[in-house]
This record gives sequence, structure tokens and C-alpha cells, in this order.
Amino acid sequence: QKEVEQNSGPLSVPEGAIASLNCTYSDRGSQSFFWYRQYSGKSPELIMFIYSNGDKEDGRFTAQLNKASQYVSLLIRDSQPSDSATYLCAVYAGGTSYGKLTFGQGTILTVHP
Amino acid sequence: GAGVSQSPRYKVAKRGQDVALRCDPISGHVSLFWYQQALGQGPEFLTYFQNEAQLDKSGLPSDRFFAERPEGSVSTLKIQRTQQEDSAVYLCASSSGGRQPQHFGDGTRLSIL
Repeated sequence: QKEVEQNSGPLSVPEGAIASLNCTYSDRGSQSFFWYRQYSGKSPELIMFIYSNGDKEDGRFTAQLNKASQYVSLLIRDSQPSDSATYLCAVYAGGTSYGKLTFGQGTILTVHP
Repeated sequence: GAGVSQSPRYKVAKRGQDVALRCDPISGHVSLFWYQQALGQGPEFLTYFQNEAQLDKSGLPSDRFFAERPEGSVSTLKIQRTQQEDSAVYLCASSSGGRQPQHFGDGTRLSIL
């Protein structure tokens, strides 16, 4: 089992819809959770981070964390074509490897007009 | 500049040559990370520095890979006797420490012929 798994894509949604991106992680001691957006040929760009159970909202983005289920998600409301990118879930594990971010394989999102 | 700066952006080398990749982190960031990203995959952790100390090098794939950060600022990732499987994008990230979010540079795309 991979340490961080994302729902297989690609995900295609119409403009204006809600895009839902999901991620599960295997290390129950994981502490911090991040969503990065990566456009083709570009570097990962941080869009959200969440440390506590529950929801965290920032503009059109909402991150949801459920540590009991070891599940983190990202909702994008009113999706725009400019949101089309690969979304990467990343986790800081517990223990001594606190410097290491473990990434999922990414989910490709396409928002079509 | 305000962000993480990496150079060169592109590097082509012949198999067997040595290469050096440079990373200049965000000013004041004590933590610096190197990742390797293959096409269609999430970044994979290589190594981590806190100031000048290399605290985790568990992700370095072989002893051909070496990283340093002698003055706690700029870092260099060196790959000796390059192989074709070393072809990838090498990403550098920095953070203010602990489990704070990591911010990525634009990466170096390395191609080994």
C-alpha cells in the first residue's frame, strides 16, 4: 500500500461545478496535510494546508481532514478552466522524519467550458 | 528574489558525466529539501537540511548522489557518473522550519543522453 494515495483520474468537470479531490494516507501519526497545484511543466504551488480535523476554507477552496479515517480532501467550488492542473496531496509523517513530505501520485483535473 | 531559485532550468549531460544543480532558498528559511519528480508522478523526497546540517538523506537513490549546504543557505545537489535513469525534474523547496509549508522552486529538468 502506498503511503499517500489519491483518487485515480483524470477528473473532468464542467465550468462552474464543484470538483472533489480525495486523498488517503497510511501513517496514522501524520501531522500536517497539504494540497499543491501543478501546471504542466511548472513546479508545485501550495494552495491549501490543514492541520486539524474539520474543514478549512480559503476562497473557492475547502480542505477537509478526517484523521480517524485517514482521509483528506479538496473541494474546488465554481471550477474555472484555469483550475485545470494536476493536484498533489502531500503529508508530513509522524516520527523523526518530520522534514519529509510524502506526495501522492497526483490527480489530473480538467475543467471544460 | 522572493521565491526559491534553481539553476540551471535545463541540463543535458552525457551518461557518465557529473552534474551540479543549485538551489537558493527563500531568505531566512532554515529548512531546505530536494525532491526528484518523474513524469506523471508526484515528487519523491531525496534529502533535507536544517541550516547546514543534513538531517535526512534517506531518499538519495545511490552513493552517486550527494548534497551539501555548507553555509546554511545555498545548496548544491551533485550527481556523479550520471545514468539514464537519473533523467527527471529535480525540485528544491524551502520552509521556515518544523512542519511549516514548503515552497518550491521551478526545478531543474535533467536529461541524460
